[in-house]
Amino acid sequence: QQQVKQSPQSLIVQKGGISIINCAYENTAFDYFPWYQQFPGKGPALLIAIRPDVSEKKEGRFTISFNKSAKQFSLHIMDSQPGDSATYFCAASGYTGNQFYFGTGTSLTVIP
Amino acid sequence: GAVVSQHPSWVICKSGTSVKIECRSLDFQATTMFWYRQFPKQSLMLMATSNEGSKATYEQGVEKDKFLINHASLTLSTLTVTSAHPEDSSFYICSAVQADSPLHFGNGTRLTVT
Repeated sequence: QQQVKQSPQSLIVQKGGISIINCAYENTAFDYFPWYQQFPGKGPALLIAIRPDVSEKKEGRFTISFNKSAKQFSLHIMDSQPGDSATYFCAASGYTGNQFYFGTGTSLTVIP
Repeated sequence: GAVVSQHPSWVICKSGTSVKIECRSLDFQATTMFWYRQFPKQSLMLMATSNEGSKATYEQGVEKDKFLINHASLTLSTLTVTSAHPEDSSFYICSAVQADSPLHFGNGTRLTVT
């Protein structure tokens, strides 16, 4: 059973546009939601993370929106750049150090 | 930020031989380390969870006698692929976490078994 569902599987965005990736979860015990960015041949790198006590967190061009009642969270990449082309994974955890559950990933392509 | 070092970054070995992959947390003590396997354009598949000084917990379907995990210290975990076969060729990634800290990944190891 997939603990975290991620969509879309792939996404193509024009340079300067907004990329939006969505994730949903079922387990209300999750209280930590990170996003990871992975380039080909590299390990995933932590991009941004949120806890359910806030509805939004912004770091530069990257924003997480969190809807606790709907059990959904999303990553928004503003002013998308070709260098943002990568695979993005959302994840959820009960508490840091415990099991992490990953989404299936979204392949983002930003075209010039 | 926290750094997890994984070595080697790539390795080619002959069928039937064993390969050891190291995962080190460089600037923090990792209470838990995870090992993943990733196929091309697919998500991370958790293989096992290891805590320092105790036996690793393997996910269903992962052969513990084939994928030996040793978490000898709070900064080092190793994955040994024993009697490797071509179907073991894959991208293996470790990650490490310290209590109340984010999960950080190594840069992965590309294993090719000929």
